[in-house]
Amino acid sequence: GNSVTQMEGPVTLSEEAFLTINCTYTATGYPSLFWYVQYPGEGLQLLLKATKADDKGSNKGFEATYRKETTSFHLEKGSVQVSDSAVYFCALSDSSGGSYIPTFGRGTSLIVHP
Amino acid sequence: DTAVSQTPKYLVTQMGNDKSIKCEQNLGHDTMYWYKQDSKKFLKIMFSYNNKELIINETVPNRFSPKSPDKAHLNLHINSLELGDSAVYFCASSQDGPPPQHFGDGTRLSIL
Repeated sequence: GNSVTQMEGPVTLSEEAFLTINCTYTATGYPSLFWYVQYPGEGLQLLLKATKADDKGSNKGFEATYRKETTSFHLEKGSVQVSDSAVYFCALSDSSGGSYIPTFGRGTSLIVHP
Repeated sequence: DTAVSQTPKYLVTQMGNDKSIKCEQNLGHDTMYWYKQDSKKFLKIMFSYNNKELIINETVPNRFSPKSPDKAHLNLHINSLELGDSAVYFCASSQDGPPPQHFGDGTRLSIL
């Protein structure tokens, strides 16, 4: 079956530090990959996506590259801000076998200190 | 304007009661979802509707019953509430199927 594995958090950084949140996946077909962000007390928001190998998704300074060879989709940002403190979820959507059930990772909490 | 709105935001009730959570989206999307998020932030899909038709129905107790009166609304009714039902329930929507694009702010359900 499909699964998404994220690094355990919390990830604690100082403002302007470089961020990497690791995400690897297993899928039976050719999935599309996504990152979502959940700010405290709110629902998830789609942050970025990539639909095929070597695609790079980017938004708000965040980016992630779909690496089929390593089955990874790591989230990166060059300089984090306090306002980036949130929980980040990696997810995949795989249409193989006619099923589009989206699968989420368990989320990684990011805490950014001033 | 709120894209996906769900009510109530908080729901505190006794075991054994029946309760409903309502969801509405004003984005014109054709697909809506219900997700359950547990205390460890694990997000599990429960149901999905596309143009009022049920397309995803995961292994969820039949005490949970979704209802979509039109494509802008997806309500969740829960019968005979149990302690394990305590969680945050999120409604979401998307255009042209999964994955969900917009989530509501969640309904925090607490069972006493």
